Amino acid sequence: EIVMTQSPATLSVSPGERATLSCRASQSVSSNLAWYQQKPGQAPRLLMYGASTRATGIPARFSGSGSGTEFTLTISSLQSEDFAVYFCQQCNNWPLTFGGGTKVEIK
Amino acid sequence: QVQLVESGGGVVQPGGSLRLSCAASAFTFSSYGMHWVRQAPGKGLEWVAFIQHDGSNKYYADSVKGRFTISRDNSKNTLYLQMNSLSAEDTSVYYCAKILYSGGLQLFDHWGQGTLVTVSS
Repeated sequence: EIVMTQSPATLSVSPGERATLSCRASQSVSSNLAWYQQKPGQAPRLLMYGASTRATGIPARFSGSGSGTEFTLTISSLQSEDFAVYFCQQCNNWPLTFGGGTKVEIK
Repeated sequence: QVQLVESGGGVVQPGGSLRLSCAASAFTFSSYGMHWVRQAPGKGLEWVAFIQHDGSNKYYADSVKGRFTISRDNSKNTLYLQMNSLSAEDTSVYYCAKILYSGGLQLFDHWGQGTLVTVSS
């Protein structure tokens, strides 16, 4: 099983600032990585797939990069609606696995 | 727009069974693989099971293998999860999720609202 490790667990950021979230895979997943955003009481929402392709309707302030085992999600200028928990997910191998999440909170 | 509506959650005793349903609409259900993903209270996401668009292939997480069965009825646009031998560790919100592209990678572009399963005596 591929273990996905996200860091940091919590990120405190002021509105308008940049946020950088990391996701590491225990073995290569090529570019088969997705990012999701989840707000309290809601289902996750797909943000990014193929490591760097924004899903439909996702604003350009979200960007993704990386391949192999190291991935980054960057939010260039945090808006109030971006404070949430973010999960990465590898879809390269069965079983599918998620990272433990990074909570982006208001500083 | 795409809708996924789960039902069937509730409180069940340890060792008991429950069947979850997920009613799909506004897309060609029979063309898409479908998944169940769960989330324990205050915890992260855990993939549970997958079924191919025609039901021909199924995969399960080790944590549920032999206890849970995923199935679908394409004539009713409905996905199911039969859960047997439930334990407290199965307490979670269960989401059904649709894959982004038919025949594509296993990532999820639409999720239901979730149904809560609580295993408790």
